[in-house]
Amino acid sequence: DIVLTQSPALAVSLGQRATISCKTNQNVDYYGNSYMHWYQQKPGQQPKLLIYLASNLASGIPARFSGRGSGTDFTLTIDPVEADDTATYYCQQSRNLYTFGAGTKLELK
Amino acid sequence: EVQLQQSGAELVRPGTSVKLSCKVSGDTITAYYMHFVKQRPGQGLEWIGRIDPEDDSTKYAEKFKNKATLTADTSSNTAYLKLSSLTSEDTATYFCTTQRYDYGSYDYWGQGVMVTVSS
Repeated sequence: DIVLTQSPALAVSLGQRATISCKTNQNVDYYGNSYMHWYQQKPGQQPKLLIYLASNLASGIPARFSGRGSGTDFTLTIDPVEADDTATYYCQQSRNLYTFGAGTKLELK
Repeated sequence: EVQLQQSGAELVRPGTSVKLSCKVSGDTITAYYMHFVKQRPGQGLEWIGRIDPEDDSTKYAEKFKNKATLTADTSSNTAYLKLSSLTSEDTATYFCTTQRYDYGSYDYWGQGVMVTVSS
């Protein structure tokens, strides 16, 4: 199984940059694509797709969100952070079946 | 607009089974792989499995192979998740979600259904 590791929590100030990391125990690249995706989940809601294939912004997602990385190391950046961004963020791989990271809870300082 | 409507909350006895539904509207279910994801209270997301409604082929996470069964009915545009031999460990919210493209991200999600296993 591919295991995804995320830090449990991150606190940032309004208007600052938040960088959330996701590391995998196996390479999730394949033929030039990184099979890594990011979701936002607020309490009591379903997850929402933010980024697909490591760096592509999903439809309707503001450009404050961006993703980068390849191989085994990936990051989701929110810049600038707004109050509505407080949520849990999950990475997910689809290179070999499907697995999620444990999630990073983003809080405001 | 594609929407996924899941069935209502369930309170079930240990040792029994439950079957959850996920109805797709706004598109044909055969345009997607249908996945189900588990989320225990206060915990993260866990992939259960997926079904291709075009040919009923399935894939499951190893830990759910003897727990979950996925089916689909193209005539009603609905996917189903059956959970068997329920224990307290199965108490969770279960989401259905769609995968349209080969690269495997989930574009649309149901609202989730809470299953509580209790005697």
